[in-house]
Amino acid sequence: SQQGEEDPQALSIQEGENATMNCSYKTSINNLQWYRQNSGRGLVHLILIRSNEREKHSGRLRVTLDTSKKSSSLLITASRAADTASYFCATDLLGAGSYQLTFGKGTKLSVIP
Amino acid sequence: NAGVTQTPKFQVLKTGQSMTLQCAQDMNHNSMYWYRQDPGMGLRLIYYSASEGTTDKGEVPNGYNVSRLNKREFSLRLESAAPSQTSVYFCASIRRPGQVNTEAFFGQGTRLTVV
Repeated sequence: SQQGEEDPQALSIQEGENATMNCSYKTSINNLQWYRQNSGRGLVHLILIRSNEREKHSGRLRVTLDTSKKSSSLLITASRAADTASYFCATDLLGAGSYQLTFGKGTKLSVIP
Repeated sequence: NAGVTQTPKFQVLKTGQSMTLQCAQDMNHNSMYWYRQDPGMGLRLIYYSASEGTTDKGEVPNGYNVSRLNKREFSLRLESAAPSQTSVYFCASIRRPGQVNTEAFFGQGTRLTVV
């Protein structure tokens, strides 16, 4: 079963507004990552937050992590039409000699010019 | 650098036919992964290879086989294609899973249709 679940499934905002997406997961993690996927393309890594971090910034992106609630949020500030894409959270499962990265179903963001 | 390269980009198969999806990375990454992406389902892990010489099943391995040919290449084989395998397939690689360079790099995908 999938580890992460994003919420909402779809989000439509006006250019300039902020967009917030949430991710909930089930088991303990080492880190949580956010990826972006433009239509018809592969996923591109955006930002990684480790389990001992609570907040991280990268440009217009802000990620928070609450390990007690097993949840994370991705905030995109001052959105642009070019931010239109699907966003996925990914969590790791670190086992003996192996490493699985599992993805949620994604949030489809539409930024209207 | 090319990053992660998948071939082919598009493929149409008839039910029962076989084919191999190829994936190669030129970043000297240790681990490689195959995912499938279906509408409303997100990405689901089919198989992965933690390092050269090892492969393990993921969430949805039935109907697939893999080969880690060398450190660069990780192929996915459909022995007898079924319509349920119609999907977009993504290959990904990670340099050092669980450590500093742990983000995944993805190929552009293979869109497979089984009729």
